[in-house]
Amino acid sequence: AQSVTQLGSHVSVSEGALVLLRCNYSSSVPPYLFWYVQYPNQGLQLLLKYTSAATLVKGINGFEAEFKKSETSFHLTKPSAHMSDAAEYFCAVSEGYTGNQFYFGTGTSLTVIP
Amino acid sequence: KAGVTQTPRYLIKTRGQQVTLSCSPISGHRSVSWYQQTPGQGLQFLFEYFSETQRNKGNFPGRFSGRQFSNSRSEMNVSTLELGDSALYLCASSLTGRGAPYSEQFFGPGTRLTVL
Repeated sequence: AQSVTQLGSHVSVSEGALVLLRCNYSSSVPPYLFWYVQYPNQGLQLLLKYTSAATLVKGINGFEAEFKKSETSFHLTKPSAHMSDAAEYFCAVSEGYTGNQFYFGTGTSLTVIP
Repeated sequence: KAGVTQTPRYLIKTRGQQVTLSCSPISGHRSVSWYQQTPGQGLQFLFEYFSETQRNKGNFPGRFSGRQFSNSRSEMNVSTLELGDSALYLCASSLTGRGAPYSEQFFGPGTRLTVL
């Protein structure tokens, strides 16, 4: 079975500081991993995805994530936080071949302090 | 290309009523998934439809049902509404068919259901 754990339901950073949002997964097969962002009163928007190509994945808005198989992690980072990054972030894993069921983490709410 | 659309965006119902939510996927997408999002439970998978067939199902009671039409549009229905059904219901579409390695999901804006 697949599952995703996001450590820290709330993260606060100062504007200009490093953003680090943690995601660990469990999977019995090679995973496909995703980070989504959700702004208030909106649906989820894809930030980036890992699909077994490069382990360092670059996404939109300056975010990137590194797949580390040995640590079963897929942490999301951004070198310098911007006020507009304040949102809810979700990590997800997909089963792929057996269907298109996504398993989402519980989310991390990012606050950016001016 | 138009994105995933969901109607209505907001809905207020009372306990015991039933409700139907609609989702139109991105053109060409054949898979539609539904999620319930609440502050306490996060995003919970309801079900996935592909080519008019339910392919995956989450752990929700039978009051929650869905269907998909030949044009890939999907509806979900909740009967005998309970206060706990108040949530944001998100629909996501994807291109994938069975056997495809992966396919990212594209989300609609959601339907905010309030049960009084």
